Amino acid sequence: EPEVTQTPSHQVTQMGQEVILRCVPISNHLYFYWYRQILGQKVEFLVSFYNNEISEKSEIFDDQFSVERPDGSNFTLKIRSTKLEDSAMYFCASSEAGGQLAIQYFGAGTRLSVL
Amino acid sequence: AQSVTQLDSHVSVSEGTPVLLRCNYSSSYSPSLFWYVQHPNKGLQLLLKYTSAATLVKGINGFEAEFKKSETSFHLTKPSAHMSDAAEYFCVVSPSGGYNKLIFGAGTRLAVHP
Repeated sequence: EPEVTQTPSHQVTQMGQEVILRCVPISNHLYFYWYRQILGQKVEFLVSFYNNEISEKSEIFDDQFSVERPDGSNFTLKIRSTKLEDSAMYFCASSEAGGQLAIQYFGAGTRLSVL
Repeated sequence: AQSVTQLDSHVSVSEGTPVLLRCNYSSSYSPSLFWYVQHPNKGLQLLLKYTSAATLVKGINGFEAEFKKSETSFHLTKPSAHMSDAAEYFCVVSPSGGYNKLIFGAGTRLAVHP
């Protein structure tokens, strides 16, 4: 069964460093998403991406964050200068279609620890 | 604003007994509602979804949920719990209006005892 894969499973970084979280969405999917879950808090939407551009982003997704689809298979989330409060589990998701009825398929997540 | 409230952070049941995980939603429009499950070190897996076709929705692994508009609820049930059902369960709403984001509840951790 096709699945969304995320690497690495755990990333440790120093405050102020740049990190790139990587995702390989399901191959025929066209919509891509990032969510995050800070320990003890709800899963929160960060950004959605379609047709090589951001279609929606949350207030959390400020100038420190960027997303990219560098080739036909990868989807990345970059945090330019990490802060302690960026420590969280980051989930990538993809869907075949967009909108309210779309089913989003999630990866297992990358745990980011900022020291 | 649309939101989801999961009424229990932890639920503990014995194997073979029924499971009830409660969820209330707040939505100005007809919502799409989902239940996702997360087993340790695994991704979020879709259990079932409601998209206004039928109020009783059947999902995978024997789970089902009933959409009750009058109560703004979408509770998840299973007649008989299995040890493998132990996981975290998320009730999720997809806002109307063409948006793609999902709004998650806080999650309910289900423990199943022998």
